[in-house]
Amino acid sequence: EPEVTQTPSHQVTQMGQEVILRCVPISNHLYFYWYRQILGQKVEFLVSFYNNEISEKSEIFDDQFSVERPDGSNFTLKIRSTKLEDSAMYFCASRREIEALHEQYFGPGTRLTVT
Amino acid sequence: GQNIDQPTEMTATEGAIVQINCTYQTSGFNGLFWYQQHAGEAPTFLSYNVLDGLEEKGRFSSFLSRSKGYSYLLLKELQMKDSASYLCAVRHSGNTPLVFGKGTRLSVIA
Repeated sequence: EPEVTQTPSHQVTQMGQEVILRCVPISNHLYFYWYRQILGQKVEFLVSFYNNEISEKSEIFDDQFSVERPDGSNFTLKIRSTKLEDSAMYFCASRREIEALHEQYFGPGTRLTVT
Repeated sequence: GQNIDQPTEMTATEGAIVQINCTYQTSGFNGLFWYQQHAGEAPTFLSYNVLDGLEEKGRFSSFLSRSKGYSYLLLKELQMKDSASYLCAVRHSGNTPLVFGKGTRLSVIA
């Protein structure tokens, strides 16, 4: 069964450093998302991406964040200058079509630890 | 604004039935989802409701009342592996992202 994959599974970085989190969505999916989950808290939406552009973003997704689909398969989240409070699990998700029937499939997540 | 409420924790016995409630207030509504999340893992899809009523899928069922802004997830014949967090999430229009509740941590005991 096709699945969303993410790399790395765990990333440790120092405050102020740039990180790139990578995702490979399911191949025939058209909508891509990044969510984050701080330890013990709820899953929070960051950004959605469709047709090679951002379709929606949350207040969390400030100028430090950017997303890119550099080729036909990868979908990346970049944090330019990490802060301690960026430590969280970052989940990529993808969805096939716009109809509500189609649920989002989540990747296994990248645990980001900022020290 | 958007608000999704569910109990923080529940405990139930192996073999029993448990009902996890979710209430929501959102600016629009285009579907309610239930996800299961084991500790340290990704959410996995369980069910979807957009019309009022009960959707049954094996041991899991989900109910929706749009007029009451209320849903529940019913788990039957509980197994130890059902110990996880159960996340209620709402989509308020066609292509918008999911808004998640804080999740209900279910512990299944022998």
